[in-house]
Amino acid sequence: GAVVSQHPSWVICKSGTSVKIECRSLDFQATTMFWYRQFPKQSLMLMATSNEGSKATYEQGVEKDKFLINHASLTLSTLTVTSAHPEDSSFYICSARVGGGNNSPLHFGNGTRLTVT
Amino acid sequence: GESVGLHLPTLSVQEGDNSIINCAYSNSASDYFIWYKQESGKGPQFIIDIRSNMDKRQGQRVTVLLNKTVKHLSLQIAATQPGDSAVYFCAESSTDSWGKLQFGAGTQVVVTP
Repeated sequence: GAVVSQHPSWVICKSGTSVKIECRSLDFQATTMFWYRQFPKQSLMLMATSNEGSKATYEQGVEKDKFLINHASLTLSTLTVTSAHPEDSSFYICSARVGGGNNSPLHFGNGTRLTVT
Repeated sequence: GESVGLHLPTLSVQEGDNSIINCAYSNSASDYFIWYKQESGKGPQFIIDIRSNMDKRQGQRVTVLLNKTVKHLSLQIAATQPGDSAVYFCAESSTDSWGKLQFGAGTQVVVTP
């Protein structure tokens, strides 16, 4: 089945530093990937849509200058949390769809646990 | 804005019994629905999906029911097993949402021996 891989699975960083999270589609190409954030005991909130070869589109309330997204190839999207602060500590999860149009399941990576100290 | 939501945050089920997880959605334009299972520390795992032109779909030990009249979705798990313990999310999308999935609040299912 479709596999979406994220790296790293967890990261601890100091306040004010930047962290890059990678999302790869391992056995399929993805022109679009979706980034979600999940706080403890809460649901997944869509942050942005990553588009290969063009700018990402961000959901309302998500700062595009803080959460930089780069989708440079059909198998890789990166999310960089810039100038991280403790309130950015969360579980970041990427996802992608294997063909089938918009009415087909998203496949999710296993997430990246970010802790900002 | 419109949202998908769940009303039962925790469901305790005895092993072997059937589980029913409910989900209400508010976007009348939603036309595609998915159930995901999320185990602790992992990403969501696809369980089953249904399109709005159907009202029932069955998989292995799972059944999804869709009632568009009252905007209600349910997931039934037959013969619940300890491995079914997880958080279950419904998610929806609509034709005009460009494939974006919006998630409900989630239900924690705890299977007891």
